[in-house]
Parts: sequence; structure tokens; C-alpha cells
Amino acid sequence: EAGVAQSPRYKIIEKRQSVAFWCNPISGHATLYWYQQILGQGPKLLIQFQNNGVVDDSQLPKDRFSAERLKGVDSTLKIQPAKLEDSAVYLCASSPGTMNEQFFGPGTRLTVL
Amino acid sequence: GIQVEQSPPDLILQEGANSTLRCNFSDSVNNLQWFHQNPWGQLINLFYIPSGTKQNGRLSATTVATERYSLLYISSSQTTDSGVYFCAVDPTGNQFYFGTGTSLTVIP
Repeated sequence: EAGVAQSPRYKIIEKRQSVAFWCNPISGHATLYWYQQILGQGPKLLIQFQNNGVVDDSQLPKDRFSAERLKGVDSTLKIQPAKLEDSAVYLCASSPGTMNEQFFGPGTRLTVL
Repeated sequence: GIQVEQSPPDLILQEGANSTLRCNFSDSVNNLQWFHQNPWGQLINLFYIPSGTKQNGRLSATTVATERYSLLYISSSQTTDSGVYFCAVDPTGNQFYFGTGTSLTVIP
């Protein structure tokens, strides 16, 4: 069974530029999560989807971050414009449902210069 | 929100030694997972353990939900066990909150 796929693995941009990350969850998993992990900290949830609907986006900085999961399968997370403090690893995870074990992708390491 | 504290924050072991990592949480939870984040940043599932005890090879975990803590046991540690161990708890069924992590270094 294929795991959670993410791309790109690494991205370096300058502040005020835009960037997008892609995630493809495990086949059949209805719930998809995006997390931000700053160096030295645990992951922090940004947004949670159940199929193509948003369950929780309370910690998503909506002035610059957006995410979508239009067909209920893969998802994109966008930052526009990026700030220095957005430098982090962006992790995507999926689970069969909201009360189940989560499985993580390899992450995208973003550096904002 | 719920507080998740892990101890110790850092741990250095000689290869072959045993260790116990602890996760305390401030509220009742529906779900709890233990992860190992390897040096390349990949989060690897160790246990999904909202309550009870599970074992997988040299690793085992126990969650006492009524007392709001979980323990991860590592026996006969190996250098490949190095990395950061996180527990994550879900109080509502909607969102996992990660702990502060325990950084483990196993020396040959």
C-alpha cells in the first residue's frame, strides 16, 4: 500500500514570493491534515479536511495561507506572500476517518530568505 | 487547549540500554499516538494506543487514560532508535495535539 506522497521535498523562496505544496493521501482515506513543524517543536495542525470539506482551520493564517481539496482526494496548500517565519517543514497526514490513526508523508522543507 | 508534556526532553543512552519515555496530558483524550521522527524528518507511526498496552518487538507502550499519561518503553536500544519521539493526543476526535518531544541519542 502506497503511503502519503508530498511534493516538492524542498523549496527555497524569497520573502513575499508565493509557494504551493501538494499532498496525495493514502488511497481511501477520507481525512487529510496539513501540519506546520517549526524547528525544535512538535507539528501544529493548520487545517483538517473530511473528504472535500473543511473540519477545522482555526489555526490557519488565512491572510496568507490557503488550502483546498477539491475532489476529496489530493490537496494543495499555498502561502502568498511568504514571510521569514514561514520557514518550516509542512507535513501532510491522512487517516481513514476522524477517529483513526494518522499516517504522515515525508514533508516539504520550506526555507524563506 | 489541552497541554501535552513529554519527559525527559533529552536522553542519551548507550547501545543496549533500556529507557522509558513519558507523555502527560491535561484532559481526557479519545486518541493517542506515539511517533518516531527520524533524522530525515519522517514521522513514523509506532503505536495507536488510546488505552491499554501494546508491544511491537523491542518497543511497547502503555496508556492509562484515567490518569492522563502514556509511557513508551524502548528495550535493548540501537543506534537506529535515535531521533525525536512525539506523543500526540486527540481530545475531541477532531484534532491531534503534539507534545514537546523527547530527543533520543543512542551511542554505539
